[in-house]
Amino acid sequence: EPEVTQTPSHQVTQMGQEVILRCVPISNHLYFYWYRQILGQKVEFLVSFYNNEISEKSEIFDDQFSVERPDGSNFTLKIRSTKLEDSAMYFCASSESTGANYGYTFGSGTRLTVV
Amino acid sequence: RKEVEQDPGPFNVPEGATVAFNCTYSNSASQSFFWYRQDCRKEPKLLMSVYSSGNEDGRFTAQLNRASQYISLLIRDSKLSDSATYLCVVQAAGNKLTFGGGTRVLVKP
Repeated sequence: EPEVTQTPSHQVTQMGQEVILRCVPISNHLYFYWYRQILGQKVEFLVSFYNNEISEKSEIFDDQFSVERPDGSNFTLKIRSTKLEDSAMYFCASSESTGANYGYTFGSGTRLTVV
Repeated sequence: RKEVEQDPGPFNVPEGATVAFNCTYSNSASQSFFWYRQDCRKEPKLLMSVYSSGNEDGRFTAQLNRASQYISLLIRDSKLSDSATYLCVVQAAGNKLTFGGGTRVLVKP
């Protein structure tokens, strides 16, 4: 079964440092997403990406965050100047299209710990 | 009011029993509805989409009530492997999924 691949699985970084989280979506999917889940809390939407541009973003996705699809396969989330409260599990997801007939496939996540 | 609200549980269920739980959503413009399953510290995995007419997938039955803005999930003949957190997920116009906080189900022998 096709899967979304995320690397690294765990990243520890010092407060103020920049991190890049990497994702390889499913190859025939056109929509890409980043979500995050702070420990013990619900999954929260960060950003959606389609046709090489951001299609929607949440209030969480401020100037500290950026996304990029640098080539035909990778989809990255960059967090500049990390804060302690950025510690969370970050999930990448992709979908072929949108709507009830198109479930999203999530990657196994990157656990980001900011110290 | 939370966008998607769920009873956090846990629902303690004897193996072989039936369990059902609901979720309510606040955005009447919501268009697509899903149940996802999440195991501890793992990614959400799509369990099933929820259609207006209600739908069934093996031991799982989902219902949607648009008038009252709630979705339900019923699990029949519970297995130990059904122990997980069940996430109610709603999609309005656009691509964004809005997650509930999850309902924890523990199936015990």
